[in-house]
Amino acid sequence: KQEVTQIPAALSVPEGENLVLNCSFTDSAIYNLQWFRQDPGKGLTSLLLIQSSQREQTSGRLNASLDKSSGRSTLYIAASQPGDSATYLCAVRKGRDDKIIFGKGTRLHILP
Amino acid sequence: GAVVSQHPSRVICKSGTSVKIECRSLDFQATTMFWYRQFPKQSLMLMATSNEGSKATYEQGVEKDKFLINHASLTLSTLTVTSAHPEDSSFYICSARDGQGKYGYTFGSGTRLTVV
Repeated sequence: KQEVTQIPAALSVPEGENLVLNCSFTDSAIYNLQWFRQDPGKGLTSLLLIQSSQREQTSGRLNASLDKSSGRSTLYIAASQPGDSATYLCAVRKGRDDKIIFGKGTRLHILP
Repeated sequence: GAVVSQHPSRVICKSGTSVKIECRSLDFQATTMFWYRQFPKQSLMLMATSNEGSKATYEQGVEKDKFLINHASLTLSTLTVTSAHPEDSSFYICSARDGQGKYGYTFGSGTRLTVV
């Protein structure tokens, strides 16, 4: 059974710092991995989608990497801003027709 | 990119009444949609998987007669909370998956249901 773990559970950093959020999964046979952010009382916004054949994806100040063999993904946020404060969720999908499995998320607070 | 529209964003209803929540994929066909429930400061809990033209698949412990799901077209799924009670108050979120896997999962903006 696939399990997804996110570390740390919560993180507070001063504005401007670069930071890394970690995601690990127990079954390396995945179809893709997706990073989301959720603001309080809102739905989920997809940040980056990494297919199983890819090693990383970039969007603006965000960069996500995927190492299937070790069952790990990282989300790198450069030059953090207060608007980056949210809960970040990692989710993996085993096959094209499978459900995604979420980690419990990392609550990020960027201090002005 | 893929967009999923969910309505209403907030609804207050009286105990015993029914509430319908709509989830639409705006620019892609979603053969499969998912309904989640989220309690404050907790993770998303999958309630059911909705497949176009067939019966929904409910997760263990979710009452299918209370949470009616209809997925009549490739772009619309609805969740009806029947005979609502205060304990049904929660945040409900839908998501849709495109058939090719190009966009991954796309989520709606959620519905805050309050039953009084």
